[in-house]
Amino acid sequence: GQQVMQIPQYQHVQEGEDFTTYCNSSTTLSNIQWYKQRPGGHPVFLIQLVKSGEVKKQKRLTFQFGEAKKNSSLHITATQTTDVGTYFCAGLMNSGYALNFGKGTSLLVTP
Amino acid sequence: DTEVTQTPKHLVMGMTNKKSLKCEQHMGHRAMYWYKQKAKKPPELMFVYSYEKLSINESVPSRFSPECPNSSLLNLHLHALQPEDSALYLCASRQGRGGSNYGYTFGSGTRLTVV
Repeated sequence: GQQVMQIPQYQHVQEGEDFTTYCNSSTTLSNIQWYKQRPGGHPVFLIQLVKSGEVKKQKRLTFQFGEAKKNSSLHITATQTTDVGTYFCAGLMNSGYALNFGKGTSLLVTP
Repeated sequence: DTEVTQTPKHLVMGMTNKKSLKCEQHMGHRAMYWYKQKAKKPPELMFVYSYEKLSINESVPSRFSPECPNSSLLNLHLHALQPEDSALYLCASRQGRGGSNYGYTFGSGTRLTVV
């Protein structure tokens, strides 16, 4: 199945700094989803991107889908301690029946 | 009700035990999933049920046996597990089937320890 690569693996920032995680696929994606998992928690759906070049915003979070639909990014402006967690991108696999998760980026924010 | 409920939250079992994990949702979602997640790793797909039929088995060992009694319930029967099977087992659901474009709703998981 398709492989979804995600970088960086870890990111440690000071509160107030910006953060970006990148996701790349070897094949064209029909869509891409983003999830957040807090330490000790479970993945929580953030957003889905479908259209080429799509940009969506959720407060301080900005999500982008590349023109070729092979890459995506999540940018957080002015991080807060509540942003701590692992952010996963995920693309559909098995003819669209299930999500294939990237390895995730663990974000640590220190006050 | 917008939740996926998993029980138990924690489970310790011996290698000769038989146990079951349960998952329940009342959102009318027709696709349900079992994922396995090891520490500091992404969730790995195990099984997919679509309209109560098993549609995907990701080459999971037979000591894991899924069951979907009805559209709201999903079970995972465990037998003769190995210590390396210790992990967080996540259930998820989603509207529709196939390429339907909806996010997954995950349960809080069962943290399984095999001793």
